[in-house]
Amino acid sequence: EPEVTQTPSHQVTQMGQEVILRCVPISNHLYFYWYRQILGQKVEFLVSFYNNEISEKSEIFDDQFSVERPDGSNFTLKIRSTKLEDSAMYFCASSPGSFGNEQFFGPGTRLTVL
Amino acid sequence: RKEVEQDPGPFNVPEGATVAFNCTYSNSASQSFFWYRQDCRKEPKLLMSVYSSGNEDGRFTAQLNRASQYISLLIRDSKLSDSATYLCVAIKAAGNKLTFGGGTRVLVKP
Repeated sequence: EPEVTQTPSHQVTQMGQEVILRCVPISNHLYFYWYRQILGQKVEFLVSFYNNEISEKSEIFDDQFSVERPDGSNFTLKIRSTKLEDSAMYFCASSPGSFGNEQFFGPGTRLTVL
Repeated sequence: RKEVEQDPGPFNVPEGATVAFNCTYSNSASQSFFWYRQDCRKEPKLLMSVYSSGNEDGRFTAQLNRASQYISLLIRDSKLSDSATYLCVAIKAAGNKLTFGGGTRVLVKP
């Protein structure tokens, strides 16, 4: 069964450093998403991406965040200058279509900012 | 007020028993609803969509009450493997953003 994959599974970084979290969505999916979950808290939407551009983003997704689909398979989330409060689990998801389509989640990348 | 609210639990359930819990939503623009399941430190996985007429999938039954703005999930004949956090999720019409509740933790014990 096709699945969303994410690398790395765990990333440790120093405050102020840049990190890139990588995702490979399911191959025939057209919509891509990033969510995050701070430990003990709810899953929060960051951004959705379709047709090589951001279709929606949350208040969390400020100027330090960016997303890219550099080739036909990868979907990346870059955090430019990490803060302690960026420590969280970051989930990538993809769906074949938009509204009403199931979003399939990857296993997540645990980001720890020291 | 949070957009999607859930009782965090935990609901301690004897194996074989029935458990039910609700979720309330505040945004009337929310159009579709889902129950996701999340195991500890794992990704959310879709359990079932919730339809206005109510729907059943094996031992799981979901209901939607638009007038009172709540969704429910009932689990019959609970199994040990049902132990997880159940996430109530809303999505607005023509949107892609999933809005998650904080989750209801269910612990099924022998």
